Amino acid sequence: AQSVAQPEDQVNVAEGNPLTVKCTYSVSGNPYLFWYVQYPNRGLQFLLKYITGDNLVKGSYGFEAEFNKSQTSFHLKKPSALVSDSALYFCAVSAYSSASKIIFGSGTRLSIRP
Amino acid sequence: EAQVTQNPRYLITVTGKKLTVTCSQNMNHEYMSWYRQDPGLGLRQIYYSMNVEVTDKGDVPEGYKVSRKEKRNFPLILESPSPNQTSLYFCASSSVSGGTSYNEQFFGPGTRLTVL
Repeated sequence: AQSVAQPEDQVNVAEGNPLTVKCTYSVSGNPYLFWYVQYPNRGLQFLLKYITGDNLVKGSYGFEAEFNKSQTSFHLKKPSALVSDSALYFCAVSAYSSASKIIFGSGTRLSIRP
Repeated sequence: EAQVTQNPRYLITVTGKKLTVTCSQNMNHEYMSWYRQDPGLGLRQIYYSMNVEVTDKGDVPEGYKVSRKEKRNFPLILESPSPNQTSLYFCASSSVSGGTSYNEQFFGPGTRLTVL
C-alpha cells in the first residue's frame, strides 16, 4: 500500500534562512512524487514533481526537491525563505502501476518570521 | 482563464438530506478527482475518473457517489449525508500522458460542507 509521511506538523524559519520540509514515502515500485502548496482559503497549487531522471527537481517560486531512492525521501527545500512562503505544504505520491490513485501527506505548516 | 470551479462554496445541511457538489473544468482534462481535507489527515482521495464513464474508488469512497457523463463535469453526490462527512472538499483535474495521470493537478477553490 502507498503511504506518505510528513513528520513535522510545523516548521518555523527566519526570513532569509534556508528551509526544508520533509517527506518520506512508501510505494510498490517506482514513485511519482509531488509537492503542492495551500494558501489560506485557497485550493492547492502545484509546486513541482519527480517522475524520472535527475534527482534534483526545480519548481515554482524558487523551491526545489531532491528525490532520494535509498532513503525513500523527497524533501522540499529553498535556499532563502520569504515571509510570503508561509503556507501549508503537502507531499503526494502515486505509483507507476496505479498513477491514478494518489496519496497525500498530512501537511506541514511553514511559518516564516520576518 | 483555465480553472476548476466548484459549487456551492459553502453548504450547511442536515443528516440524510441528499446533496450534490458540482465540479467543472475548462481545460479538456481527462482525469478528475475528489478529495476531502480534514485537520491532521491531509487530503484523502474519494473517487477519481480517468475519462467519461470511467470512475474508480479512492481511499475513502464510503457514503459518496460520482458520475462522469461529460468530460468537463464530475459531480460528487452524498445520498444520505452524515455528520462525519463534515469536511472541506476539493475537486481537481489533470491531463493524461500515455494513459497515465502523473501530470500536475489543478484544484478547485473548495467546498466547505457542514452536516448537522
